[in-house]
Amino acid sequence: GQSLEQPSEVTAVEGAIVQINCTYQTSGFYGLSWYQQHDGGAPTFLSYNALDGLEETGRFSSFLSRSDSYGYLLLQELQMKDSASYFCAVRDQTGGFKTIFGAGTRLFVKA
Amino acid sequence: DSGVTQTPKHLITATGQRVTLRCSPRSGDLSVYWYQQSLDQGLQFLIQYYNGEERAKGNILERFSAQQFPDLHSELNLSSLELGDSALYFCASSERRDSYEQYFGPGTRLTVT
Repeated sequence: GQSLEQPSEVTAVEGAIVQINCTYQTSGFYGLSWYQQHDGGAPTFLSYNALDGLEETGRFSSFLSRSDSYGYLLLQELQMKDSASYFCAVRDQTGGFKTIFGAGTRLFVKA
Repeated sequence: DSGVTQTPKHLITATGQRVTLRCSPRSGDLSVYWYQQSLDQGLQFLIQYYNGEERAKGNILERFSAQQFPDLHSELNLSSLELGDSALYFCASSERRDSYEQYFGPGTRLTVT
């Protein structure tokens, strides 16, 4: 089957750097995405990795190691508005291209 | 604003009833995805349509069904509702058939009493 694991909660201080890890198990891996969701809001796309390495988009970076079935989202220069839930999601091509989401990591940014 | 619209925003109904949730994708997007998000849970993929055809199926119950119409809007039908069906239902869209970047609508909050 398919599964993803990520920490349920992370707390960090404003201005700091935080890393949210994601390990996955899937038979037809096609890529790893990250989404942000504020309370009461809709998920919004942050980044995607299909190949090993680091992708950088402003303050956010995402990393993938396919051999380790592992990825992470790195948030730099944390701001209070970054307090939200962050979901990793794999694209799995088994039985059609499904997007499987992790349970999410709730990030609390403190002043 | 992602450009994806969903109606209604809130829905309260009783067990055993049937409801229809509606989604209009972004202009130009051919794929529509449906997700269920229960309280403090991740997003469970239900089903995807591409240009009117079913593309992929997730953990969608037999009591649930969906379709995508020629104008590309989609409807998710939930029948014989149970208390456990109470959740946020999101629709997402993307331009391509197999896209990693999906644009989510604001969701429909369904409460079954």
